Parts: sequence; structure tokens; C-alpha cells
Amino acid sequence: DARVTQTPRHKVTEMGQEVTMRCQPILGHNTVFWYRQTMMQGLELLAYFRNRAPLDDSGMPKDRFSAEMPDATLATLKIQPSEPRDSAVYFCASGLGENTEAFFGQGTRLTVV
Amino acid sequence: AQKITQTQPGMFVQEKEAVTLDCTYDTSDPSYGLFWYKQPSSGEMIFLIYQGSYDQQNATEGRYSLNFQKARKSANLVISASQLGDSAMYFCAMREGGGADGLTFGKGTHLIIQP
Repeated sequence: DARVTQTPRHKVTEMGQEVTMRCQPILGHNTVFWYRQTMMQGLELLAYFRNRAPLDDSGMPKDRFSAEMPDATLATLKIQPSEPRDSAVYFCASGLGENTEAFFGQGTRLTVV
Repeated sequence: AQKITQTQPGMFVQEKEAVTLDCTYDTSDPSYGLFWYKQPSSGEMIFLIYQGSYDQQNATEGRYSLNFQKARKSANLVISASQLGDSAMYFCAMREGGGADGLTFGKGTHLIIQP
């Protein structure tokens, strides 16, 4: 049963700490997205990759967020230093590009206190 | 300007009735795709249905169909014979640029099916 796997599922951290969220896309998918969901802003696209190359990260606060794909089976989203306003659910999704659907992971619920 | 507009923040519907969830979009790109996702209270995002801008026929997937009116720039989701398990948030999304870009989501509609 192919699925996008995100770890951790939940993370509570103190302000100022580094947070790393990981995503394993579906094998064979060449496009990976990071989204953030909050009540106020809804679902926002933070960054996405195609064939491991970053295509767009304009949705990310550059000073504290970074996204990478060290290999085809792992995408990471880091926040350093974290702030309370970063509290949200972070979703990773993968797909085959073009006009095909993106499959979402279960999300990482981040709480920064 | 918002690219995806969902005008119904919440809806209550009786079980077994048909439901139409509204979605309008804004793009000048001739090539785009429209998507609907369901997010139940458990939080996962579940893909429901896709419509391409060049598709001649409305998309259907089981009880889901997409009422695509290109001239009006609307892509409403129709759920036939609603079930209690259909209660969830529903998001309309668009991808522009022939697939080169990420999905842009609407704010969602919270659908509650009543017995």
C-alpha cells in the first residue's frame, strides 16, 4: 500500500529550538511538495521539488526555513529557530507532476511554545 | 485576488441527499488542472477527483462528479447520495502552468451530513 510517510506525527518544542520534519515520498514519484495548514491561512504551499531539484520555495520564510531532498526517498523541512507562529500542521505530498493528483502524508502537527 | 474561491464555509445536508460544493477559480493560463480533496476530522488529505482544463467531459469517480463550467470558471463538486462518512472539510485546488506549479487551495467547505 503505497503512501507518503511523514515523521514525526506530533512535535512540541520550545521557541528557539531547531525542528526537522521528514517525508518519504511514494516510490517513483518525482515531485514533492511541502504545505503548511493553519486555521487562519488555510493550506499554503511552502516549497516543492521535481526530480530532487527545488523548483519553488517562495512560500517559505527564508531566514528560518529550509527544505532539501538529500535523496529520492527523503525530503526534509527544517525550521531554525522555531517561533510560536510556526505552530501548524505541515504536510508533505508527492506526485508524478503534470496534471496528476498529489498524494498527501498524514502531516506533522507542530506546536512551538 | 484569490485564485480559488469556495463561498460556503459550512453546509448541513440530510443523509442520502445530493450535495453540491461550490468552487470558482481565477487563472489566465489555458492549461490547468482542478482537484478536490477531502479532509476528515482525522486530518489526512484524501484526493477525490481531477478535471483538466482541456477535458471535454466532466470527471466522475463513483459518487463524486465535477461540474466543470469553463466559461464561468467554476468546478463544483457533486456528491450523490450523501453518507454520514462524507462529513469532512472539502478543498478545491488548482494547478496552473501545465503541471509545473504546486497546488493552490481554497479555504474549504465544512460539510456535515445529518442522519
